[in-house]
Amino acid sequence: AQKITQTQPGMFVQEKEAVTLDCTYDTSDPSYGLFWYKQPSSGEMIFLIYQGSYDQQNATEGRYSLNFQKARKSANLVISASQLGDSAMYFCAMREALDTGRRALTFGSGTRLQVQP
Amino acid sequence: KAGVTQTPRYLIKTRGQQVTLSCSPISGHRSVSWYQQTPGQGLQFLFEYFSETQRNKGNFPGRFSGRQFSNSRSEMNVSTLELGDSALYLCASSLVGSGTAKNIQYFGAGTRLSVL
Repeated sequence: AQKITQTQPGMFVQEKEAVTLDCTYDTSDPSYGLFWYKQPSSGEMIFLIYQGSYDQQNATEGRYSLNFQKARKSANLVISASQLGDSAMYFCAMREALDTGRRALTFGSGTRLQVQP
Repeated sequence: KAGVTQTPRYLIKTRGQQVTLSCSPISGHRSVSWYQQTPGQGLQFLFEYFSETQRNKGNFPGRFSGRQFSNSRSEMNVSTLELGDSALYLCASSLVGSGTAKNIQYFGAGTRLSVL
């Protein structure tokens, strides 16, 4: 089974509008972390936001917020007030067993977001 | 503070050759992880190094190896290159220990390897 599923290969959004990128995950580990990264065409993976499984509140970082629904195993990224520079690939990732030394991230297949003027 | 630095940015090799990629982590970060990104397989974990020791390894053949130096800089080596090794190789560094900040991996711009 896929550990991280991103069902939207591509999304379009108008500039200044909000957009939600979907991510569902699968783990039986009680201690895990969920991440969102942005990858522009240059290739660099840019960290956006992090949510730990024990965090009580949804994470927010500027225009980015993570809609964490633990029971549904979903961790959707919400980008408010989209900008042209937000056009990129977006990856959802998970790290399991936070209380161990294993740091490997499992990534989803990504969503290509295009912001239109 | 400088980010993760990967060199070279681009490489072209032929089948059967070997290649070494370099990664300098963010100052103070002692864990370095490597990932391979291809259009077909997506992003896959290769291995992680901490304190000059390989801590975890992904499902890759033994042709893929790495090492970490005492200053936390890391290199990965691919021997006997195959066409399928063409990929973007990304390095990520992180702090070590417990706590939210120590869970975050910061990536470099990657090395794009083309095998002809």
